[in-house]
Amino acid sequence: EDQVTQSPEALRLQEGESSSLNCSYTVSGLRGLFWYRQDPGKGPEFLFTLYSAGEEKEKERLKATLTKKESFLHITAPKPEDSATYLCAVQASNDYKLSFGAGTTVTVRA
Amino acid sequence: NAGVTQTPKFQVLKTGQSMTLQCAQDMNHNSMYWYRQDPGMGLRLIYYSASEGTTDKGEVPNGYNVSRLNKREFSLRLESAAPSQTSVYFCASSVRGEYGYTFGSGTRLTVV
Repeated sequence: EDQVTQSPEALRLQEGESSSLNCSYTVSGLRGLFWYRQDPGKGPEFLFTLYSAGEEKEKERLKATLTKKESFLHITAPKPEDSATYLCAVQASNDYKLSFGAGTTVTVRA
Repeated sequence: NAGVTQTPKFQVLKTGQSMTLQCAQDMNHNSMYWYRQDPGMGLRLIYYSASEGTTDKGEVPNGYNVSRLNKREFSLRLESAAPSQTSVYFCASSVRGEYGYTFGSGTRLTVV
């Protein structure tokens, strides 16, 4: 069974204070690892897909990296508008569905 | 460019009542999914439809049924609601599961 564990559960940052979120996973053959952002009261919004170890993707202040066992979401010089819950999910190579972690809630104070 | 539309947005049911959650997508996606989200547990898959005419159970299907009405619409039915089904329900769609999902805005359901 695919498993996804995210840490920490919550992260409080000062504006400009860079940090990283961790997503550890076990899956029987990885097709893709996905990062989503979720704002309160809304559905998750797609950020990145990573397919193979060593791959990196960037979007504004966010950078996602992937190894064979985990992924990191680095937030560089965060702003208050980066406050959200960040979800990690994996898709196995023989499957359609995504398995999600419980998420990391990031709060950035001005 | 509506994406994925869910109705209703909020609902309160009494134990034992039935209801259907509606989901429609306008992106010509093949695959559709129903998830529930509970505090501390993340998103859990209830049912999914890989393509029109097919449906399969996910991680937590008990107490639910689904219908893939056509390529656009995928409904979730609670036949006899229980307090344990209090949750936020999300519908999502994707192109054959290869890419990221597009999620709806959710239905917040309370069963009393």
